[in-house]
Amino acid sequence: DAGVIQSPRHEVTEMGQEVTLRCKPISGHDYLFWYRQTMMRGLELLIYFNNNVPIDDSGMPEDRFSAKMPNASFSTLKIQPSEPRDSAVYFCASSPVRGLSGNTIYFGEGSWLTVV
Amino acid sequence: GQSLEQPSEVTAVEGAIVQINCTYQTSGFYGLSWYQQHDGGAPTFLSYNALDGLEETGRFSSFLSRSDSYGYLLLQELQMKDSASYFCAGYGQNFVFGPGTRLSVLP
Repeated sequence: DAGVIQSPRHEVTEMGQEVTLRCKPISGHDYLFWYRQTMMRGLELLIYFNNNVPIDDSGMPEDRFSAKMPNASFSTLKIQPSEPRDSAVYFCASSPVRGLSGNTIYFGEGSWLTVV
Repeated sequence: GQSLEQPSEVTAVEGAIVQINCTYQTSGFYGLSWYQQHDGGAPTFLSYNALDGLEETGRFSSFLSRSDSYGYLLLQELQMKDSASYFCAGYGQNFVFGPGTRLSVLP
């Protein structure tokens, strides 16, 4: 299996521009997560989906952020308009199960976003 | 809500044993996991504890005490390549990561 695939790996954009990050989860995984990582705030859960349905988006910082999962093999995280404080590494991750059976979250390599 | 606490940094020498502690407050708690992240890389799964006790995976072991809301990761026979950040993650109503512990292994 190719693992969780994210694109782009690196993006530099100007403040005010729209940014779209893409993710292909591992086939057969029911859960998909979007995390943001910064030195100051660590790994923050932004939103997660179960079977393509958003379950909890309480971590999404504000209305400038939106996430979609139109099908089981694709998700996007969009920032519009982007601001310098959005600069971070954005990780997409997927998991096959949840609960006592032993959770493992598989992370993509991350999208390194710099907003100037 | 959920919150987890870890020491920010730990330093040890090659061949030594180090323990990284994690205390948590979480509702609807399912279990505690540990992840390793090297600089510039992605977090990777190390271990998971759903029940009290010790889980051993090679040089790494993880322990959980649900009554104490406490767990730890034990790394034995430390190697230079173990220098990384280690995160505990709580599984409850949400999936929440601790702030991470940066381990430096010295020669």
